[in-house]
Amino acid sequence: EAGVVQSPRYKIIEKKQPVAFWCNPISGHNTLYWYRQNLGQGPELLIRYENEEAVDDSQLPKDRFSAERLKGVDSTLKIQPAELGDSAVYLCASTPMGPLNTEAFFGQGTRLTVV
Amino acid sequence: SQQGEEDPQALSIQEGENATMNCSYKTSINNLQWYRQNSGRGLVHLILIRSNEREKHSGRLRVTLDTSKKSSSLLITASRAADTASYFCATSTGGGNKLTFGTGTQLKVEL
Repeated sequence: EAGVVQSPRYKIIEKKQPVAFWCNPISGHNTLYWYRQNLGQGPELLIRYENEEAVDDSQLPKDRFSAERLKGVDSTLKIQPAELGDSAVYLCASTPMGPLNTEAFFGQGTRLTVV
Repeated sequence: SQQGEEDPQALSIQEGENATMNCSYKTSINNLQWYRQNSGRGLVHLILIRSNEREKHSGRLRVTLDTSKKSSSLLITASRAADTASYFCATSTGGGNKLTFGTGTQLKVEL
C-alpha cells in the first residue's frame, strides 16, 4: 500500500511568487495534517483536517497561506506571495480518524527554497 | 508553537552504547509518541505510550512516561551507526488527534 505521497519534493521560487504543495494521504485516513519544519527545529502544525473540515488552523498565517481538502481526500497547501522566511520543509501526515491512540504517517515532505 | 522541549539538543555516542533522550511537555495528553527523522527525509513513527501507561518496550527501544512531571524518556540500547538521526517526541492532545512536536534531539552514533 502506498504511503503518504507529497509533491513536488523540491521547489525553488523567487520571493513574491506563488507556490503550491500537494498531498495524497493514506487511503481511508480521515485526518490530514500540514506541518512546517524549519532547519534544526521540530515540525510545527499549520492546519489539521478531519475529512474536509479544517478543525485546527490557528497556526496558519492566513494572510498568505491557504489550504483546501476537497472531498476529504487529497489536499493542497498554497503560499501567495512567498517570502524568504517561508523557506522550510512542508510535511503532510495522515491518521485514521476515531482512535486517539494512533500513529501519524508522514510523507517525504516538500523542501521549499525562496530566493 | 512547540509543546515539547527535548534534551539534550545533540548527543554523540559510540556504537554499542545506550542513548537516552528526554522530553518535557506542558499540558495534559492523550498519548506521547516518538519519531525518528533521517536527514532530508520524513518522520517515521517509533513508539506510542498512552497517558495511563508508565513504560513501554519495542525491540531496542524503551519509553517511560511520568505524567505527574509531564516528562518522557526514550532509551535506545546497544546503539548502531544506523540509529544516527533526529528524534522527536510528539504529544496527542484534545478531543481530536492533535499532534504537537518537540524541538528534537540530534543523535550521532559513531563507529
